[in-house]
Amino acid sequence: QQQVKQSPQSLIVQKGGISIINCAYENTAFDYFPWYQQFPGKGPALLIAIRPDVSEKKEGRFTISFNKSAKQFSLHIMDSQPGDSATYFCAASGGGSTLGRLYFGRGTQLTVWP
Amino acid sequence: EAEVAQSPRYKITEKSQAVAFWCDPISGHATLYWYRQILGQGPELLVQFQDESVVDDSQLPKDRFSAERLKGVDSTLKIQPAELGDSAMYLCASSFTTGYNTEAFFGQGTRLTVV
Repeated sequence: QQQVKQSPQSLIVQKGGISIINCAYENTAFDYFPWYQQFPGKGPALLIAIRPDVSEKKEGRFTISFNKSAKQFSLHIMDSQPGDSATYFCAASGGGSTLGRLYFGRGTQLTVWP
Repeated sequence: EAEVAQSPRYKITEKSQAVAFWCDPISGHATLYWYRQILGQGPELLVQFQDESVVDDSQLPKDRFSAERLKGVDSTLKIQPAELGDSAMYLCASSFTTGYNTEAFFGQGTRLTVV
């Protein structure tokens, strides 16, 4: 059972455009929602993360929007650049016996063309 | 900059052979994770260590997979015997602890191909 559902599977955006990736979860025990960026042949690297007590977090061109009632969160990449072309994963983790364990979405392959 | 070290980067092995992967976490990180990433999917946890103790191995196929972290530092993941379906990227990650919002740092992974 997929704990975190991510869409779209792939995304093509023109340079300078806005990239939007969406995720949804069911487990209300989740209290940490990171986004990871992965380039081919590399491990995932943390891009930005949010806690459920805030609705938005912005770091440079990257923004997470969080809707606790809908159990959804999204990544917005403003002014997308060719160097942003990578696979993006949303993830979630929570308390209890699985504290620290990350549940990942299936990923979104982003291509930004010049 | 501190990083999680993994070796080998690539491994090709024949079906039914044994294979082992090694991970050295960031110094001082008590929590170590092994994830498996099948091509086109997100990573899935295989096993989680807190120091030298296993805290979650619910998704580890224990009939063929084993993991250890004897001194609470580096770790080894073993597969014996390897099957074709084990072809994947094996990622090691570490975090300072499992406290609130503690970032997990990933290594570059070991790409396993079973032929």
